[in-house]
Amino acid sequence: AQTVTQSQPEMSVQEAETVTLSCTYDTSESDYYLFWYKQPPSRQMILVIRQEAYKQQNATENRFSVNFQKAAKSFSLKISDSQLGDAAMYFCAYRNNAGKSTFGDGTTLTVKP
Amino acid sequence: SAVISQKPSRDICQRGTSLTIQCQVDSQVTMMFWYRQQPGQSLTLIATANQGSEATYESGFVIDKFPISRPNLTFSTLTVSNMSPEDSSIYLCSVDPDAGGTEAFFGQGTRLTVV
Repeated sequence: AQTVTQSQPEMSVQEAETVTLSCTYDTSESDYYLFWYKQPPSRQMILVIRQEAYKQQNATENRFSVNFQKAAKSFSLKISDSQLGDAAMYFCAYRNNAGKSTFGDGTTLTVKP
Repeated sequence: SAVISQKPSRDICQRGTSLTIQCQVDSQVTMMFWYRQQPGQSLTLIATANQGSEATYESGFVIDKFPISRPNLTFSTLTVSNMSPEDSSIYLCSVDPDAGGTEAFFGQGTRLTVV
């Protein structure tokens, strides 16, 4: 079974600064997908960024980028130029080809003005 | 993309009763998923619901407690039966339009409180 570990229950960052959220996973599969989701207090799950395991290039979406290390099974999220609206719970997720997802325990991000 | 409408958004229920949560998608999808998110915790998959077949339940979840219907490719229901306070959670449905690869789209969740 796959497991996803987020070792940082809470993180804080100063507005306009950069923060990195950590995620590691364990799997025996070679083909899979990794995601970061954001869940604000409204509880709506919002996709932040995704990475296909077969791609070596790290995914980037505006201020959000990942550092994907397949051999190390690491998938960290970097948020640049942090904004107050980035404050939320962030979940790292693993999805196999059957569409079944496993989520980490989440990291609560606080952005300080 | 897919837009998901989930109802009700919240409810307060008496223990021993049942609640049915509805999930409506604006496009046809093969796979729908039901998750539970206990307060302050992560999402745990309850079951996968495919149209035309029985739902597949994850370890720790049983059909008698969480019966699921999937009558067509755009709709599913999850019933939380014989509720106890331990069932107080957020319940979310999600769809994976291409069965792997694309992002999952989530409903806005149902916040259930059992008293």
